[in-house]
Formats: sequence, structure tokens, C-alpha cells
Amino acid sequence: DIQMTQSPSSLSASVGDRVTITCRASQSISNYLNWYQQKPGKAPKLLIYAASSLQSGVPSRFSGSGSRTDFTLTISSLQPEDFATYYCQQGYDTPLTFGGGTQVEIK
Amino acid sequence: EVQLVESGGGLVQPGGSLRLSCAASGFTFSTYWMHWVRQAPGKGLVWVSRINSVGSSTSYADSVKGRFTISRDNAKNTLYLQMNSLRAEDTAVYYCASSPYGAFFDYWGQGTLVTVSS
Repeated sequence: DIQMTQSPSSLSASVGDRVTITCRASQSISNYLNWYQQKPGKAPKLLIYAASSLQSGVPSRFSGSGSRTDFTLTISSLQPEDFATYYCQQGYDTPLTFGGGTQVEIK
Repeated sequence: EVQLVESGGGLVQPGGSLRLSCAASGFTFSTYWMHWVRQAPGKGLVWVSRINSVGSSTSYADSVKGRFTISRDNAKNTLYLQMNSLRAEDTAVYYCASSPYGAFFDYWGQGTLVTVSS
């Protein structure tokens, strides 16, 4: 199975901050890397697919980059509604696997 | 508007069975792969199973293989998950999710809670 490792597991940031979350795959997954946002008690929401493609309706302050084993989700200017948990997920091979999540909290 | 609505969750004893359903609307269900993803209380997301658009190909996580069966009825725009031999560790919110070609989940239902306990 492909292991996905996210870092950090949590972070504290202020509104307006630039936030970066990293995800590392245990083997090359090309660009089959996706990012989700989940708020408490809600279903996850797709933000980025294929490493860098912005899902329709997602604000442009979210961006993704990377390939093979190392990937990054960046929020250019953190907004109040962005405080949530973020997950990466590889779609290269089954079993599809998620990272452990990064909880973004208010500083 | 895309909608995925899960049902069928509840409390079941260890060793018991449940069938989850996911009613889809707002998109061409028969052209999408579909998945089940679960989340134990306070834990992360875990992929459970997927089925291709016509129902001819399925995949499962090792933890549920041989116990769970995914299926779909494209005439009814509905996805199913038959869960047998349930264990305490299957306790989770179960989400159905759509997927244009199997690699990512573009829309999610609200989830249905399955609790396995005596």
C-alpha cells in the first residue's frame, strides 16, 4: 500500500497568513494527488485534484504543487472560513489512501 | 445541484449486517465511478471500496474484503454497501462519494453513522 505522510499534523495561524501543508508519498504517484478540506461534523470537500488543478468553485487562494513523491498545498492568505482539517489523498493505485490530516487552528 | 444522500446506518451487534444506500441526483450517475469512505469517531478518512460506472469492476480495502460488497443500480441512481460480519472497528461515519474516473472524490454525501456494539 502507498503510505501518505502529511506535515505538520496541526498548525496555528492568523487570518492573512500564508499557510503551507506538505504531503509525501511512500513511492512515486506521478501527479495523482488530491487535497480535501473538512470542517467539524461535515463531509470533506475537494479542493485540488491532479496535484495542481483547482476544483470548480474553490477560491484561488488555494493552490497545489508537486509531483512524484512530494506535494504541497498552499493557502496564500488564510481566511476565517479556512480553519479546518486538510487531507491529501493518492489516486495512483488501490487501496486509495489518505494522509493523516493537518488541523489548521486560529492563533 | 449534485446531491448524494446516504441512509441505512444505525446500531448493530457484532457479527450483524447492514446495507447502506446512497441516492444520487443532479449528475449522470451512470457515467461516474462511486466510492465508500469511512471515518471513525475523531479519526481520519479511510477509503473502503469503489465500483466503476457500469458495475463490472470493484475494489476493496483489505480490512473489509470478503465482508463488504459494493454494488449499484444505475436505473435507480443508487449505490449500495452490504456490510456483513460487522466488527467494533467498523464503527464510523460512512460517506459515499462520486468520482469522474476513480482517482479522486469530487462530491460527497453527508454521511451515515454505523455503530457496532453489543
